Amino acid sequence: NAGVIQTPRHKVTGKGQEATLWCEPISGHSAVFWYRQTIVQGLEFLTYFRNQAPIDDSGMPKERFSAQMPNQSHSTLKIQSTQPQDSAVYLCASSSGAGNTLYFGEGSRLIVV
Amino acid sequence: GDSVTQTEGLVTLTEGLPVMLNCTYQSTYSPFLFWYVQHLNEAPKLLLKSFTDNKRPEHQGFHATLHKSSSSFHLQKSSAQLSDSALYYCALASSSFSKLVFGQGTSLSVVP
Repeated sequence: NAGVIQTPRHKVTGKGQEATLWCEPISGHSAVFWYRQTIVQGLEFLTYFRNQAPIDDSGMPKERFSAQMPNQSHSTLKIQSTQPQDSAVYLCASSSGAGNTLYFGEGSRLIVV
Repeated sequence: GDSVTQTEGLVTLTEGLPVMLNCTYQSTYSPFLFWYVQHLNEAPKLLLKSFTDNKRPEHQGFHATLHKSSSSFHLQKSSAQLSDSALYYCALASSSFSKLVFGQGTSLSVVP
């Protein structure tokens, strides 16, 4: 079991550019979550999917952030017109459903300069 | 809405002393509570979670008791080890299939 795989592990992008982050959940897990991690805010919920359907995107900054799950083996988080305040570690997690145990990937560190 | 509060940002302890990390929560429902641990350059992983039948969860010497009257789920360990140095997050879920809401985290540093 390879665990949750996130790519890229590190990304540096210029202000105003687009950044796309990928996540491959654990095979067989029905739910995929995206969180943003910063020192100041801790782990902030962004969005989640269950059986590929978007369930809750209440944490997403609506104007520039979007997430998709086109198939059960991967999800993407896209940030358009990146800003320095978007710099953070973006964590993806998957879950088998009941019991809420999340299995996290190692994250994608985004730096906007 | 649901929220979790961890009052200590940084806790520094001498090896062998007891550990207690605070966690309080607000929720409209009767939530499930969790502790996650994140070692440096690693992914967060589940440390322990509350049971529905009031049993006290334990793992790797850590334990936590859910007190609904005070809305708390403090993490404790009788004797800190150097390897316990990590970032600890308390979290809640309002139902079995809902998202987890995390606190801001407590960084535990255990020194010799």
